[in-house]
Amino acid sequence: SAVISQKPSRDICQRGTSLTIQCQVDSQVTMMFWYRQQPGQSLTLIATANQGSEATYESGFVIDKFPISRPNLTFSTLTVSNMSPEDSSIYLCSVRDRTLGTEAFFGQGTRLTVV
Amino acid sequence: AQSVTQLGSHVSVSEGALVLLRCNYSSSVPPYLFWYVQYPNQGLQLLLKYTSAATLVKGINGFEAEFKKSETSFHLTKPSAHMSDAAEYFCAVSGTGGGNKLTFGTGTQLKVEL
Repeated sequence: SAVISQKPSRDICQRGTSLTIQCQVDSQVTMMFWYRQQPGQSLTLIATANQGSEATYESGFVIDKFPISRPNLTFSTLTVSNMSPEDSSIYLCSVRDRTLGTEAFFGQGTRLTVV
Repeated sequence: AQSVTQLGSHVSVSEGALVLLRCNYSSSVPPYLFWYVQYPNQGLQLLLKYTSAATLVKGINGFEAEFKKSETSFHLTKPSAHMSDAAEYFCAVSGTGGGNKLTFGTGTQLKVEL
C-alpha cells in the first residue's frame, strides 16, 4: 500500500486568496491525481499530475484556477487560486502505481472553506 | 468512456439485516471495478476490487461483491449490518491500464438503525 500525507488537513480562507495543498507519498508512484469532493457529492477528477510536464486537466477545470506541480515521483501540489465560496470542498490526492496493485490510494483530504 | 451508476443515494437498514448497495457500470473495455468506503472526515478506504479474476470478490469488514457481466453490475453486499458500517460508499470503474483514472459513482450513504 501507499501512505499519503496531505497538508493542510483543513483551512478557512478569504475569498480572492489562494491556497496550496501539498501531497507527499511514501514511495515513488507513476500516477498522481487530484480530486474535488463538493459537500454531499461524489469525487470529481480535477487533473492528473504529470512528473516533469504540465498536468492533464479534466473538462471544466483549467490551469489558471488549479495550477498543479509535480517536481518528482513522490510529491505534488495543487493550488486553488482566486478562491470563491463555491470552491469550498474537500480536495483529495490519489496515487496509483502497478507496483502497488490495481487500486488507487487516497490521502485524508484537505477540507477547504472559503468565506 | 466509462461510468458507474449507484442506485439509491441513501440506504437505511436495521442492525443485523442484509446490506445491498447497487452499482451498474458502463465500459467499452473490460473494466476494473472498486468499492470504497468513506467515514466522516476521512479519506477513502478500499473495500474490495474486481480485476478480472474471480467474479465473486470478498473484501474487508465482511463485505463482498459479485461481478455480473450480463447485467453490467457490481453490487455490494454484507449479510449482517453493524452500526460501524454507517458511512458513504462509492463504486468506481477504471480501465485495466495502470495509469487509468478512476471514475466514481455518486455515492450511497448507508444508515444503520437499531
